[in-house]
Parts: sequence; C-alpha cells; structure tokens
Amino acid sequence: GESVGLHLPTLSVQEGDNSIINCAYSNSASDYFIWYKQESGKGPQFIIDIRSNMDKRQGQRVTVLLNKTVKHLSLQIAATQPGDSAVYFCAENSGGYQKVTFGIGTKLQVIP
Amino acid sequence: EAGVTQSPTHLIKTRGQQATLRCSPISGHTSVYWYQQALGLGLQFLLWYDEGEERNRGNFPPRFSGRQFPNYSSELNVNALELEDSALYLCASSLGRRNTIYFGEGSWLTVV
Repeated sequence: GESVGLHLPTLSVQEGDNSIINCAYSNSASDYFIWYKQESGKGPQFIIDIRSNMDKRQGQRVTVLLNKTVKHLSLQIAATQPGDSAVYFCAENSGGYQKVTFGIGTKLQVIP
Repeated sequence: EAGVTQSPTHLIKTRGQQATLRCSPISGHTSVYWYQQALGLGLQFLLWYDEGEERNRGNFPPRFSGRQFPNYSSELNVNALELEDSALYLCASSLGRRNTIYFGEGSWLTVV
C-alpha cells in the first residue's frame, strides 16, 4: 500500500537555527499535501498545505517545498524556537474518497 | 469558533468490554474521520463519515464501528476490547472532501 515517511527520525537543532524536515511519499496520484505538528499528548495541528500545482508555499516562519519528480516534501522552519519541539507529520491526499495517508513523523528537538 | 471536540479525554476499560468515543466536528464541517495512534506508531485510518454515511474504512476488524448523526457529530464504538486497542483515538473533520483535515485532541483508551 501507499506509505508516507514510515520512519521516525529525530532532528535536533539549536534555537534560532533553521530546521528542515523531510518526507517521502509513494503515491504519484497524490495532489494535496499537508504538514501537521503534534505536541506530546495532543492532537495534530495543521501547519501548512500545498497542492500539486505548486512547488513552494510560505507561511509564517514555515515554508513547504514539493518536488513531484522525486516525490519529496519538505518543511522548513525559520529561526526555530523551543515551542517548535514536536513531532511533525506529512500527509498526502489522493483520490476522491478522501484517502489521506500519514507517516510516523519526525521528532524535532530544539536545544536552547 | 470551537475546534473538533472529543470525549472522554481518557477511558480505561477491561479486555472484552466495549468502548464508545464521541466527536463533535467544527461547525459547518460535514466529514468526520477517525484515526488510531498507538504509542510510537503513525496515524492509522479507521473510518470516514460524510453526510451521515460511512464513505471509507481502514484495515481494521468489524468490531471497530461507528456512526455519524444528523448534526454531523460522530461516535466510534470498539467492541470486544483487546489489549492492543490501547491507543490515542483521534477524530478529525473537514469541510467536505479534499479539504484540510483538522484534528481534535484525542481520546486516550487504555485496555487492561
């Protein structure tokens, strides 16, 4: 079946540095991608999304890049803060029946 | 505006019992999704309801069931509980198909 970033790597960054979290997806039919942030014990929180007709989208301190050629998605967080510490999930949406697939996520640890 | 709300926050059940979890979507959202997140694992899709109908189902046994009410709220029922059902159950909602999914804070189910 389809899979999105099945491994849970951990990324440690110094406070103030930029963070880049990567995600690989396998379903070439996916046309909508979302990044979520999940803090310990809480539900995932929407961060930013991007549709397949775009390569890049920017939000407040976050940028999502989409490379459809290699089926890769990345989330860039500028000036990482301690409050950014969480697990970050990418999700892909494919198909009219709202098939959304999530990976295990990447744990971001911000070092003060 | 209230987000997705779930109840109860925590639930402890004995193996073999039944558990019922409830979810109220964001006002105006017609689609409700249920996901299971076991410790250390990714989000596993359980069920999707839209306009009162079950639209899609994940790879879970029939003892996982649910329904969506006319006011779009939903409940998830898990029968004949097993120890491995212990997990965070997340409800999410969206404004129809192919739109961003927003999550609640989840219900922790512990089976002993």
